[in-house]
Amino acid sequence: GAVVSQHPSRVICKSGTSVKIECRSLDFQATTMFWYRQFPKKSLMLMATSNEGSKATYEQGVEKDKFLINHASLTLSTLTVTSAHPEDSSFYICSARAQRMGGEQYFGPGTRLTVT
Amino acid sequence: GENVEQHPSTLSVQEGDSAVIKCTYSDSASNYFPWYKQELGKRPQLIIDIRSNVGEKKDQRIAVTLNKTAKHFSLHITETQPEDSAVYFCAATWGGGADGLTFGKGTHLIIQP
Repeated sequence: GAVVSQHPSRVICKSGTSVKIECRSLDFQATTMFWYRQFPKKSLMLMATSNEGSKATYEQGVEKDKFLINHASLTLSTLTVTSAHPEDSSFYICSARAQRMGGEQYFGPGTRLTVT
Repeated sequence: GENVEQHPSTLSVQEGDSAVIKCTYSDSASNYFPWYKQELGKRPQLIIDIRSNVGEKKDQRIAVTLNKTAKHFSLHITETQPEDSAVYFCAATWGGGADGLTFGKGTHLIIQP
């Protein structure tokens, strides 16, 4: 149990374009999903918290108009990187949390974004 | 906000020996402290966690201790094996995990054969 998937696993896009990343909880309902960013050989940094049916809460310094988050159902959250720039290149990882499991966060496999 | 410090950044131990990784946190409201293991290019895997109402928790070769007064917690791995080699992250949050995690910078654990 507690499986989280992400799609795509890798994506390359040109500067100025937008990219959508999906995060799905496969065998449980996620009351909350989180989006993190991880630069090479660095730690994970929380970008935003996403609750089903409500607006995402963004961490300080994260532009909400650039990183659009939609949590349309209890099993799906999407992150759209708009007008991507090379400095947006990173490993984006989502996690999902289910209250019934005691609150632990389970991570997706991550999406490697490269902006050229 | 919360700040988590993690030491050491790199730890090399002989196979069969024990490894200890230490973290401190700044927010006394934090009450959930998970540890994750991440292999290169892969997702973080939850290996053990502890809540603030518990001082110690053990799962086979892995244990975590928490000192709320001093605001520090530690990961202990005994009888280390080559497959334990990875990057380990500590994290802290409040609300029992309802909030996002603040991670330490990570410890690269190397098990020498």
